[in-house]
Amino acid sequence: DAKTTQPTSMDCAEGRAANLPCNHSTISGNEYVYWYRQIHSQGPQYIIHGLKNNETNEMASLIITEDRKSSTLILPHATLRDTAVYYCIVRDQPTGTASKLTFGTGTRLQVTL
Amino acid sequence: KAGVTQTPRYLIKTRGQQVTLSCSPISGHRSVSWYQQTPGQGLQFLFEYFSETQRNKGNFPGRFSGRQFSNSRSEMNVSTLELGDSALYLCASSLKIAGGVSGTDTQYFGPGTRLTVL
Repeated sequence: DAKTTQPTSMDCAEGRAANLPCNHSTISGNEYVYWYRQIHSQGPQYIIHGLKNNETNEMASLIITEDRKSSTLILPHATLRDTAVYYCIVRDQPTGTASKLTFGTGTRLQVTL
Repeated sequence: KAGVTQTPRYLIKTRGQQVTLSCSPISGHRSVSWYQQTPGQGLQFLFEYFSETQRNKGNFPGRFSGRQFSNSRSEMNVSTLELGDSALYLCASSLKIAGGVSGTDTQYFGPGTRLTVL
């Protein structure tokens, strides 16, 4: 799986959009971009994933650049409950074979009043 | 639909003992993966089970083992516990439909079991 690079930490004011970048310059054509977050001492929570098109769900939007070398997770209206470590993961979508997630160190997002 | 459940949530053991952790996947999910999270090493993959067979294994010693039952529930066992085994052990399940349809391999995590080895 391709390696990802994320900023160590970011701050965001409550109510503002939080834009979390991820660099994955070695991504290959069949690799997806996944985002998870982990609130302190809880299990990681799946947020969103995408291949090349922008994706949106009830939690967030995922913007993937045309060359797929980077992406941005957008939380449109951050709240204090969005304070967490956000992980960007690049991986194959396996066809019934073994799979695993390789977590980096993630971005610690602090949402403040 | 109920999420992934793990039992127990907290466990205290002493060095040399063994421990068994349990994971019940989301109903209908057939793949179960286990991860270890420590402050020093972060989140690391232990192993994955699918159709009662171990499909992939991370770089952990043989003291770490697991199994999956016909109802997809899984257990992991750690024998001869060491202080360094103190960690949050996480289980994740996925639907895993053959053919790799987008999203079917998305892993959903349980709350974890916090193991403390004294």
